[in-house]
Amino acid sequence: KAGVTQTPRYLIKTRGQQVTLSCSPISGHRSVSWYQQTPGQGLQFLFEYFSETQRNKGNFPGRFSGRQFSNSRSEMNVSTLELGDSALYLCASSSVDRGGNEQYFGPGTRLTVT
Amino acid sequence: GEDVEQSLFLSVREGDSSVINCTYTDSSSTYLYWYKQEPGAGLQLLTYIFSNMDMKQDQRLTVLLNKKDKHLSLRIADTQTGDSAIYFCAESKIPNTDKLIFGTGTRLQVFP
Repeated sequence: KAGVTQTPRYLIKTRGQQVTLSCSPISGHRSVSWYQQTPGQGLQFLFEYFSETQRNKGNFPGRFSGRQFSNSRSEMNVSTLELGDSALYLCASSSVDRGGNEQYFGPGTRLTVT
Repeated sequence: GEDVEQSLFLSVREGDSSVINCTYTDSSSTYLYWYKQEPGAGLQLLTYIFSNMDMKQDQRLTVLLNKKDKHLSLRIADTQTGDSAIYFCAESKIPNTDKLIFGTGTRLQVFP
């Protein structure tokens, strides 16, 4: 069974631009979560989707948004990029409908904002 | 609060046991996890424990949970150089969600 895949793996953008990151969960998994990892703030929860609905949201500005498609694939979008958005963005998927239990992470997308 | 705390560094000799500690603040946590991150990689799920358990063993890994002290530990027996990585503990507090609160991570260095 293939693991969680994320595309692209690396991205360089300029301040003010926008970016879309993609995540394909493990086959059969319907829950997808996104996290931001930075040296200063560590791993922080962005949002979580289940059956195309946002189930939970972290404390990030409205520039960060996401969505989930009917095939469970998810995208996150960051508009008006700032230097501080440079980070590793990780996606995780889970098969347990009610939350908790095992979550599997993808390799991440490393975003650099210049 | 949502703080999950870990010590930053741990250095052990190959073949010895490693013990990585974690403290959390919310007694309502449901699941507690240990993840491993190698350089340039994502997070690898090592093991997890439900909050009504106090111990779980999986091959070289032993997880101990002390709910009274809100303390979680991961013991790696016979530590190998391939175990060198950053280890994160995480808690899942809210039912019906996959949201995880992560610790700061402990960098484990294994020397020969």
